[in-house]
Amino acid sequence: GEDVEQSLFLSVREGDSSVINCTYTDSSSTYLYWYKQEPGAGLQLLTYIFSNMDMKQDQRLTVLLNKKDKHLSLRIADTQTGDSAIYFCAETPLGGYNKLIFGAGTRLAVHP
Amino acid sequence: SAVISQKPSRDICQRGTSLTIQCQVDSQVTMMFWYRQQPGQSLTLIATANQGSEATYESGFVIDKFPISRPNLTFSTLTVSNMSPEDSSIYLCSVRRGAGETQYFGPGTRLLVL
Repeated sequence: GEDVEQSLFLSVREGDSSVINCTYTDSSSTYLYWYKQEPGAGLQLLTYIFSNMDMKQDQRLTVLLNKKDKHLSLRIADTQTGDSAIYFCAETPLGGYNKLIFGAGTRLAVHP
Repeated sequence: SAVISQKPSRDICQRGTSLTIQCQVDSQVTMMFWYRQQPGQSLTLIATANQGSEATYESGFVIDKFPISRPNLTFSTLTVSNMSPEDSSIYLCSVRRGAGETQYFGPGTRLLVL
């Protein structure tokens, strides 16, 4: 079956890098996504990566994909207090364009 | 990206009543999706709404409980029927657009059932 797992909590110091990890079980996943949810807000798409890519960089964000290990990570460089939020990893399985399978979300806390 | 609005943004309802949530998109889309986020949980797809056909429901969700309308390519409604406290959640609509089959989400409707 399809399953996406994330660690639930991460605490970092302001200015440090944050690395949020995600593992998934569906080897046929086509796209993988990172969403951000701030308190009381909806979901904001941060970035996505196609399954034939290893890495994608977008300003402070770096996504790494290890297909062999079914491992996805999101690195946030120079983490700021405004980055405090819940980060969701999600996948679209092959042929399942209608459905996003979400992880439980990682709560990132940034402290001074 | 997509500009998606939802109404109401939040509501407090009595058990046994029904609430209809509206979702408006800034341009035409083929598919619209409805998700539920229970307190402290991740998102679960309720159904996919296509214009001109019946919605497709995921396992565990039924039309009698969550009827959906899709009258045109920019609008959809989700009704939460005969509500109980277990229906207290955030309900989000989303659309798929552009590269990466990317799904964009509305701001959500926060529902509390007493």
